[in-house]
Amino acid sequence: GDSVTQMEGPVTLSEEAFLTINCTYTATGYPSLFWYVQYPGEGLQLLLKATKADDKGSNKGFEATYRKETTSFHLEKGSVQVSDSAVYFCALSGKGQGAQKLVFGQGTRLTINP
Amino acid sequence: DTAVSQTPKYLVTQMGNDKSIKCEQNLGHDTMYWYKQDSKKFLKIMFSYNNKELIINETVPNRFSPKSPDKAHLNLHINSLELGDSAVYFCASSQGGTNTGELFFGEGSRLTVL
Repeated sequence: GDSVTQMEGPVTLSEEAFLTINCTYTATGYPSLFWYVQYPGEGLQLLLKATKADDKGSNKGFEATYRKETTSFHLEKGSVQVSDSAVYFCALSGKGQGAQKLVFGQGTRLTINP
Repeated sequence: DTAVSQTPKYLVTQMGNDKSIKCEQNLGHDTMYWYKQDSKKFLKIMFSYNNKELIINETVPNRFSPKSPDKAHLNLHINSLELGDSAVYFCASSQGGTNTGELFFGEGSRLTVL
């Protein structure tokens, strides 16, 4: 079945550091790919998405590019802030019957120190 | 206005009891979901309803019974609670499938079974 694998956390960085959170997927065909963010005590919010190969999703300084050849969707940000501290989830939605649900990775907890 | 609201936010109960969690969305979406987040933050879909019809039931024990009285509500009833049911349960909604659409999550209901 479809699955998503993210880099293990937790990740701790200093403010203004460069961030990469790796995400790879296994799916039949070409799924849509998403990054969701969960701030402490809150539900998940969509951060960005890409629905076809080579698409780049971006939002709030975060970017991720849909790489079909490496089945990856790594999340990057050039300069992180303390307010970016949260848990980040990579997710996919398949086609057909798989378009009825999101499959999530295990989440990566990010802590940014001032 | 909260788009997806769940009640209660916290629930502490004894093993063997029966409890319910309610969810309502005011976004006019036609699809609603229940996800379970375990202590390691891993998110897994439990159920999905489209226009009050069950679409997905991901091998959840039949002690869990979702009910959708209308497309704006999806409640979760759990019978004979077990220790392993302790988790955060998230309700979510979307318009249509998840392939291109965004899931909107509630803030979660933390269930603790003693």
